[in-house]
Amino acid sequence: AQSVTQLGSHVSVSEGALVLLRCNYSSSVPPYLFWYVQYPNQGLQLLLKYTSAATLVKGINGFEAEFKKSETSFHLTKPSAHMSDAAEYFCAVTSPGGTSYGKLTFGQGTILTVHP
Amino acid sequence: EPEVTQTPSHQVTQMGQEVILRCVPISNHLYFYWYRQILGQKVEFLVSFYNNEISEKSEIFDDQFSVERPDGSNFTLKIRSTKLEDSAMYFCASSEQAYTGELFFGEGSRLTVL
Repeated sequence: AQSVTQLGSHVSVSEGALVLLRCNYSSSVPPYLFWYVQYPNQGLQLLLKYTSAATLVKGINGFEAEFKKSETSFHLTKPSAHMSDAAEYFCAVTSPGGTSYGKLTFGQGTILTVHP
Repeated sequence: EPEVTQTPSHQVTQMGQEVILRCVPISNHLYFYWYRQILGQKVEFLVSFYNNEISEKSEIFDDQFSVERPDGSNFTLKIRSTKLEDSAMYFCASSEQAYTGELFFGEGSRLTVL
């Protein structure tokens, strides 16, 4: 079984400040990990993914995440927050191979607020 | 940019009624999914669909639920007899490949069961 825990349901930062959204996972097999973002009234959009290649993954809009196996973490960061980053962010895990390829297990989401 | 489209965006129904949620996946995608999110809870996997059959389904996806790709473009989720606890946002998703886990999601259909 797999699970994802996102620490902090709400994170608030100032524009220009560092964004850090925390994600810890549990998986009995080497995982694939994802961050999705949901803007108001839109679907979930893939930000970035880890699929067992480089442990530091760069995504869209200046976001990046680092896979740390020893810490079972996949935290999302952005050096400088922009007002347009305000959204809900979801961390997700899946196991490659077999028939479970599209079965993502999501965390509960973190709402990011960016204030001027 | 290609996108997954879902209709209706919001549906209100009475308990016990049948509901069909519709999705048009991205045209060259072969793998299709339904997820749901009950208010305040996590996004949950319901079912995956490939080659006109269910690949995997969750415990939530009981006999009240069914999926179909009736015409080669639409992908539907039917709930036969809705219950109050079926109230949720239902997300359709599709993917081009099987093993990347890179899903493209629609904007969701909000179902309210009264």
